[in-house]
Amino acid sequence: EPEVTQTPSHQVTQMGQEVILRCVPISNHLYFYWYRQILGQKVEFLVSFYNNEISEKSEIFDDQFSVERPDGSNFTLKIRSTKLEDSAMYFCASQGERLETQYFGPGTRLLVL
Amino acid sequence: AQSVAQPEDQVNVAEGNPLTVKCTYSVSGNPYLFWYVQYPNRGLQFLLKYITGDNLVKGSYGFEAEFNKSQTSFHLKKPSALVSDSALYFCAVRDIGPNAGNNRKLIWGLGTSLAVNP
Repeated sequence: EPEVTQTPSHQVTQMGQEVILRCVPISNHLYFYWYRQILGQKVEFLVSFYNNEISEKSEIFDDQFSVERPDGSNFTLKIRSTKLEDSAMYFCASQGERLETQYFGPGTRLLVL
Repeated sequence: AQSVAQPEDQVNVAEGNPLTVKCTYSVSGNPYLFWYVQYPNRGLQFLLKYITGDNLVKGSYGFEAEFNKSQTSFHLKKPSALVSDSALYFCAVRDIGPNAGNNRKLIWGLGTSLAVNP
């Protein structure tokens, strides 16, 4: 069964460093998402991506964040200059054209020191 | 504002007993409703959804949920719990009302930890 994959599973970085989180969505899906979950808090929407552009973003998704689908396969989330409060589990999700279900990857746990 | 409430942080149930995990929602228009489960160190796994039609929807692993529009609820149920059902359960909603535009984001509850005791 096809699934969403994410790498790395864990990332530790120093405050101010750039990180890139990678996701490989399900191959025939067209909508892509990033969510994050700070420990003990709700899952929060960050951004959605369709047709090679951002379709919606939350207030969290400020200028420090960017997304890209560079090669038609990977879907990446970049945080330019990480802050302590960026420490969270980051989930990627993808969704098919006529489906209403978002399928999630296993997540990347980011720790900013 | 759109929101999802899962009023119970934890639900404990004995194996073989029925279980209910509660969810209520608030959206401006009609909702699409979802349940996901998260096992330790795993991602969010889709269980079931309500889009339209029959208010009782059946999903994976014997779970079902009932959409109740008047009570704005979408409680998750299973007739007979298994120890292996122990996990974190999340309810999520997508607002498809006239003011929702083209957004497809999911709004999440805080999650309910289900513990099934042998």
